[in-house]
Amino acid sequence: DTAVSQTPKYLVTQMGNDKSIKCEQNLGHDTMYWYKQDSKKFLKIMFSYNNKELIINETVPNRFSPKSPDKAHLNLHINSLELGDSAVYFCASSQGRGGQTEAFFGQGTRLTVV
Amino acid sequence: AQSVTQPDIHITVSEGASLELRCNYSYGATPYLFWYVQSPGQGLQLLLKYFSGDTLVQGIKGFEAEFKRSQSSFNLRKPSVHWSDAAEYFCAVGATGGFKTIFGAGTRLFVKA
Repeated sequence: DTAVSQTPKYLVTQMGNDKSIKCEQNLGHDTMYWYKQDSKKFLKIMFSYNNKELIINETVPNRFSPKSPDKAHLNLHINSLELGDSAVYFCASSQGRGGQTEAFFGQGTRLTVV
Repeated sequence: AQSVTQPDIHITVSEGASLELRCNYSYGATPYLFWYVQSPGQGLQLLLKYFSGDTLVQGIKGFEAEFKRSQSSFNLRKPSVHWSDAAEYFCAVGATGGFKTIFGAGTRLFVKA
């Protein structure tokens, strides 16, 4: 049973398109995250939800919109995709406050914008 | 705000040799410290964590790390590296009462036969 699962694993799309990445966790955690990993492997937090409430919203273009329909799901929708959006996007979850607890990561979604 | 530095972008060690990956953090109080490993094409997996207590922490896969407050360091060690240890290693720091964990830039470990 996969603890944190993301779909799709690979996503190739053209500039200007809109796409979504889905994430689900079956660990019963109350906090979920989206991270972006660039080509140099640098990992940066984008958003975090705690009990469906947005608690971290880093400096991210408003083309990126997270949605958490319930505690187990956190989706990421991206409008008007740009070349610079190409990266690996990781979903993660933790129990409680993320700065103090272990995060469980999904396998990542490799987004390529052409 | 907390920050973390991993001075080595990549390290190459021979199989069977010992390993030490460096991590320095910046935080005003006692931090929450983590080491994660990322194998190619995979997500991050926790190796070990330090919150308080014994400053030498044991983790999975034979790894250990030592918290040194005086040096603001949390270096990862392994006495004998296996080829399967080749991966990207991330040090991370979290803040008391905070939701955010800050990751270092990572150290890529290469293992040669």
